[in-house]
Amino acid sequence: DGGITQSPKYLFRKEGQNVTLSCEQNLNHDAMYWYRQDPGQGLRLIYYSQIVNDFQKGDIAEGYSVSREKKESFPLTVTSAQKNPTAFYLCASTLGRGDTEAFFGQGTRLTVV
Amino acid sequence: DAKTTQPPSMDCAEGRAANLPCNHSTISGNEYVYWYRQIHSQGPQYIIHGLKNNETNEMASLIITEDRKSSTLILPHATLRDTAVYYCIAPTNAGGTSYGKLTFGQGTILTVHP
Repeated sequence: DGGITQSPKYLFRKEGQNVTLSCEQNLNHDAMYWYRQDPGQGLRLIYYSQIVNDFQKGDIAEGYSVSREKKESFPLTVTSAQKNPTAFYLCASTLGRGDTEAFFGQGTRLTVV
Repeated sequence: DAKTTQPPSMDCAEGRAANLPCNHSTISGNEYVYWYRQIHSQGPQYIIHGLKNNETNEMASLIITEDRKSSTLILPHATLRDTAVYYCIAPTNAGGTSYGKLTFGQGTILTVHP
């Protein structure tokens, strides 16, 4: 079955450590997105990529980094520079055409202690 | 992306229709309106989208005003499982070839009561 997979579902890290969240899709989608969600809040865009080897900052990119070396993969690194990294992180993908829906992963809940 | 505005919360009785409004007064002529919903601690799920005609699928109906400045998502017979956050978005459509940001707002928390 085609879909978008995030792993792991829960992640714990010590403060000051970088951590990388995985996002893989087998939908042959061009565009991929990373969001952060805090309790009781909506989704805030961190980074997005419309095509391989290219990505743009979203609304809250500080303290995060991404890469897009393969069409299927869009990993997000939460660096030690991110002041409040504990959150629910969601990855999404779209075909990249203007009239298509977005598919979301099930999210990774990151807790930094 | 066009800015969208939704009420923060709504209630609905089980079995009744839930009508969720969304304002998108700055929407451009080629920007679609999409609706998603998010059940607690899961990824959002696509519901429906439309450009200017009303749309219906197995999950919901979408009514878009003639001037396209607002729309309403209708869940015809709400169930307890429809309790979720509902997001209305209008992503920038670069001539049907791609869109860049996919921006979500706060959404509407719909609570369906027994």
